[in-house]
Amino acid sequence: QVQLVESGGSVVQPGRSLRLSCATSGFTFRSYGMHWVRQAPGKGLEWMALIWYDGSNKYYADSVKGRFTISRDNSKNTLYLQMNSLRAEDTAVYYCARGLGWDYGIDAFDIWGQGTMVTVSS
Amino acid sequence: DIQMTQSPSSLSASVGDRVTITCRASQSITSYLNWYQQKPGKAPNLLIYAASSLLSGVPSRFSGSRSGTDFTLTISSVQPEDFATYYCQQSYITPYTFGQGTQLDIK
Repeated sequence: QVQLVESGGSVVQPGRSLRLSCATSGFTFRSYGMHWVRQAPGKGLEWMALIWYDGSNKYYADSVKGRFTISRDNSKNTLYLQMNSLRAEDTAVYYCARGLGWDYGIDAFDIWGQGTMVTVSS
Repeated sequence: DIQMTQSPSSLSASVGDRVTITCRASQSITSYLNWYQQKPGKAPNLLIYAASSLLSGVPSRFSGSRSGTDFTLTISSVQPEDFATYYCQQSYITPYTFGQGTQLDIK
């Protein structure tokens, strides 16, 4: 079945870096755009980043632009999020999510991972 | 950035009630609007895409509609498993943005 599994979350000090991974299975990874979405404790959802199916285009939320980098390895069916210069306000559960697919004529997040927790604290 | 404003922020309902949640976009997003359901401690689930298209496998008691920049999610007869938080999300243009969420509780 279609599955997304995030890893790499941990407790990290402000200013440090962390890389999250999202291992996928059960679908043709190289055919789908992929996203990162986060949720701070007790708060709502915040879209972070999008990468096209082939990695040719990337888009970011203003809050992370210049600090976070989304990437993918289609040979490994894996999505990544490199997070630099982390701040306390980056503390959240980070979800990877699959894009709905261009056949639908709209982007949406149709499959989600279980999330990985990132805590930024000294 | 496009702001998405949901109302109400919370509501209480009984099983069998008809429930409506509204989402307003700060500018035109045509029908680039999606709805998600999230239960505590779980990832969200996509319910409706493109304002009114039901994702395969989602119960038909869920429906969505659009009027200009106003969007509505309706649950025709709330079931026990529907008590959750609901989010709207625009994918008209990046940065994609979510509404603040509507928590549906049991009355």
